[in-house]
Amino acid sequence: RKEVEQDPGPFNVPEGATVAFNCTYSNSASQSFFWYRQDCRKEPKLLMSVYSSGNEDGRFTAQLNRASQYISLLIRDSKLSDSATYLCVVNTGRRALTFGSGTRLQVQP
Amino acid sequence: NAGVTQTPKFQVLKTGQSMTLQCAQDMNHEYMSWYRQDPGMGLRLIHYSVGAGITDQGEVPNGYNVSRSTTEDFPLRLLSAAPSQTSVYFCASSYSRTSGSSYNEQFFGPGTRLTVL
Repeated sequence: RKEVEQDPGPFNVPEGATVAFNCTYSNSASQSFFWYRQDCRKEPKLLMSVYSSGNEDGRFTAQLNRASQYISLLIRDSKLSDSATYLCVVNTGRRALTFGSGTRLQVQP
Repeated sequence: NAGVTQTPKFQVLKTGQSMTLQCAQDMNHEYMSWYRQDPGMGLRLIHYSVGAGITDQGEVPNGYNVSRSTTEDFPLRLLSAAPSQTSVYFCASSYSRTSGSSYNEQFFGPGTRLTVL
C-alpha cells in the first residue's frame, strides 16, 4: 500500500464548479500535511498547508481528518487557471516529505 | 533571489555514462533534497542533506551519489546511467532541517529531464 494515495483523475469540471479531492495516508504518526500544485512540465509549488482545524485560502479549503487519515481539498468557483495536478504531501516524521502521485484537474470553458 | 536553479534542463545519456546534475539555491536554506518523478509514481526522494557536510539516503538512492560541500550547492551524480534512470529530476530546498517542524515548505527547482538510451 502506498503511504499517500490519491485518485489520479482526471477531474473534468466546467468553470465555476466546485470540485473536491481526497487523499489518504497510511502512517498514523504523520505530523504535517500540505497540498502542492504542479502545472504541466513544471515544478511543484506549495498551494497550502493543512491544519487540524481546517483552513481556507480564498477559493481553496483544506480539511484534515486524523481519525480516518484523510485530507481533502475543496476548490470553489473553478477557474481555467486552476487546471493542474494537485499533490497531497505528508510529513511522516522522517526528514523528508512523502508525495502522493497527484490528482489532475481540467477546468473547461 | 534566483531561488533554486538546476542545470542542465535536458540531458540524453547512453547506458553506462556518468554525469552530474547541478543544483544551487541562494536562500541560505539548510535542507536540500533530490527527487525523481515518474508517471504514476509521484515524487520519490533520492538523497537529502540537512546541512553542509551532511547527507543521507532517501527512498531510492541506488545508482546516485551526492555531496554537500557548501550550503548553496547540492549536486547529484549518476555513476553509470541505466535506462531505469530515465526520469524528471527535481532539486528542492527548505528552511527547516527538522522533520518535526509543522512548516517545511519545499522550494523546487525547474527540473532536469533525463533520458538514458
